[in-house]
Amino acid sequence: GQNIDQPTEMTATEGAIVQINCTYQTSGFNGLFWYQQHAGEAPTFLSYNVLDGLEEKGRFSSFLSRSKGYSYLLLKELQMKDSASYLCAVMDSNYQLIWGAGTKLIIKP
Amino acid sequence: GAVVSQHPSWVICKSGTSVKIECRSLDFQATTMFWYRQFPKQSLMLMATSNEGSKATYEQGVEKDKFLINHASLTLSTLTVTSAHPEDSSFYICSARGSGETEAFFGQGTRLTVV
Repeated sequence: GQNIDQPTEMTATEGAIVQINCTYQTSGFNGLFWYQQHAGEAPTFLSYNVLDGLEEKGRFSSFLSRSKGYSYLLLKELQMKDSASYLCAVMDSNYQLIWGAGTKLIIKP
Repeated sequence: GAVVSQHPSWVICKSGTSVKIECRSLDFQATTMFWYRQFPKQSLMLMATSNEGSKATYEQGVEKDKFLINHASLTLSTLTVTSAHPEDSSFYICSARGSGETEAFFGQGTRLTVV
């Protein structure tokens, strides 16, 4: 079956760095997405990786290793507004998104 | 990025009535639209996938006669929750994707409360 695993909840301190991991097992692979979702709102796109390596976009970076079925989202210089759920999603061979359960990130002052 | 508008943002309806939710792509042609449901503190659950001009494909366990999806044009898809019950109360989100594109763009979501 298809499976996306990510931690349920993480806590970090304002100004620090946090890494949210995601491992996946899917039928085919056409890219991995990271989304941010604040409570009561729809997800917003953060990043897309289809090749191995690190993609940097401001304070956020995303890494992919296809051979290991592994990705992480790295958030630097954490701000209180970064408190949200972070969803990992993999696009399978049918171009359908398989969603992880999301990681709730709590930022403390 | 592309814009997807979902309406209404929230709705309260009486048990037994029907509610229609609209999802519009404002600046691109959405050949594929996805409808999700999200219960509190849970991840997105795909309900159905619709391609313009054809019948929607429903995920296992989703009643197609209860959740009517229409994707009659390249810019509009609708989800109608028929004979709504309190257990249908949830956050419904649509996303739209253009032909040949990998990224899908989300609407703002609709908070449905059935009383």
